[in-house]
Amino acid sequence: ETGVTQTPRHLVMGMTNKKSLKCEQHLGHNAMYWYKQSAKKPLELMFVYNFKEQTENNSVPSRFSPECPNSSHLFLHLHTLQPEDSALYLCASSQGTSGGYEQFFGPGTRLTVL
Amino acid sequence: AQKITQTQPGMFVQEKEAVTLDCTYDTSDPSYGLFWYKQPSSGEMIFLIYQGSYDQQNATEGRYSLNFQKARKSANLVISASQLGDSAMYFCAMRLRNQAGTALIFGKGTTLSVSS
Repeated sequence: ETGVTQTPRHLVMGMTNKKSLKCEQHLGHNAMYWYKQSAKKPLELMFVYNFKEQTENNSVPSRFSPECPNSSHLFLHLHTLQPEDSALYLCASSQGTSGGYEQFFGPGTRLTVL
Repeated sequence: AQKITQTQPGMFVQEKEAVTLDCTYDTSDPSYGLFWYKQPSSGEMIFLIYQGSYDQQNATEGRYSLNFQKARKSANLVISASQLGDSAMYFCAMRLRNQAGTALIFGKGTTLSVSS
């Protein structure tokens, strides 16, 4: 595996379900990110982790719970979601969190909440 | 507040023609970086090109070049010799260089359609 991978690619869940999104980067990067991409809206940053420590939480509701056990893995735990949470969830990684470090993105998980 | 504006929801171009995708930004910080990403229908965001605010020359990467006009706060992407595979959504993004822990701020994107 190379680059940034995300599983599952598609997920349909009910509002009472609990599920988790997984992201793994094989680039040796130190920073990882979760973004949400809704239809007709810009990408929205959700969380930033640098060296496994959360450095930014962009006012995300508590029904989204991130976990970063190491610099290569990032999870997004989902519970009691709402239909408006349906979106493409993108994970990204970068060498660092400042300067000109470009972010490398995974293919995303398309989430549908019924 | 920092902001990225992409005013073209959609652009249409024929193969082998050049196309310019517009991007303007707003920040009071003198040190920042500008990025362009491509998002095909598969969903993955692909990094294309980067321009630092202090870079003297416009960035170029193969068929991609960035027309950076600092005084106008614009960072337009120029794609030369368009190909069918260039059809995708294109996002302009900005990051403040000296502020650690921040991620990218994205524009709403421009959909590019290349026809034969």
